[in-house]
Amino acid sequence: DSGVTQTPKHLITATGQRVTLRCSPRSGDLSVYWYQQSLDQGLQFLIQYYNGEERAKGNILERFSAQQFPDLHSELNLSSLELGDSALYFCASSSSGESSYEQYFGPGTRLTVT
Amino acid sequence: GQNIDQPTEMTATEGAIVQINCTYQTSGFNGLFWYQQHAGEAPTFLSYNVLDGLEEKGRFSSFLSRSKGYSYLLLKELQMKDSASYLCAVRGDDYKLSFGAGTTVTVRA
Repeated sequence: DSGVTQTPKHLITATGQRVTLRCSPRSGDLSVYWYQQSLDQGLQFLIQYYNGEERAKGNILERFSAQQFPDLHSELNLSSLELGDSALYFCASSSSGESSYEQYFGPGTRLTVT
Repeated sequence: GQNIDQPTEMTATEGAIVQINCTYQTSGFNGLFWYQQHAGEAPTFLSYNVLDGLEEKGRFSSFLSRSKGYSYLLLKELQMKDSASYLCAVRGDDYKLSFGAGTTVTVRA
């Protein structure tokens, strides 16, 4: 158990819909990262937040957005969902802002868009 | 951008040694990581190299040559539970982690 929690574990929804994925980092970690992992692609970095502020942006679509709240939990919002958005979405946390030594991954949310 | 290459699959026998190579071309370099990922589970950290040389951690060792843009992960005394995907990841000068596609290792009895 990494100490990072993600909800829900599974999510099935239809194209065009909007969903919110939630992540609570390890106690004391200020950085939260979001990754997407689909069958035909490796782990793709989406976005990073550090202590409530956006720190780095990767291959995140405009239909996706994220935020980190004062209690440090984070939410990833996916809208106008397409079949290709079906993937495992991982959240990871680390102690410092600059992708420090180790990232601890949550169990992931499996999103299926039908 | 980042380009990280590693073999797609490797198979080895229980008790043997397997070496997974990773080559990279990145915009700057601030460390190389190896993660293990069992199917459907979260990646877990194995090793970190930022200087040239070998880092040993139990049955797992990782080597880095920055001048060659090359790393390998060495798994010794293979066990069935080592069957998993092994991900090479490089942290560039933007401090973002870029992952390779992963190497699926299958350990046979």
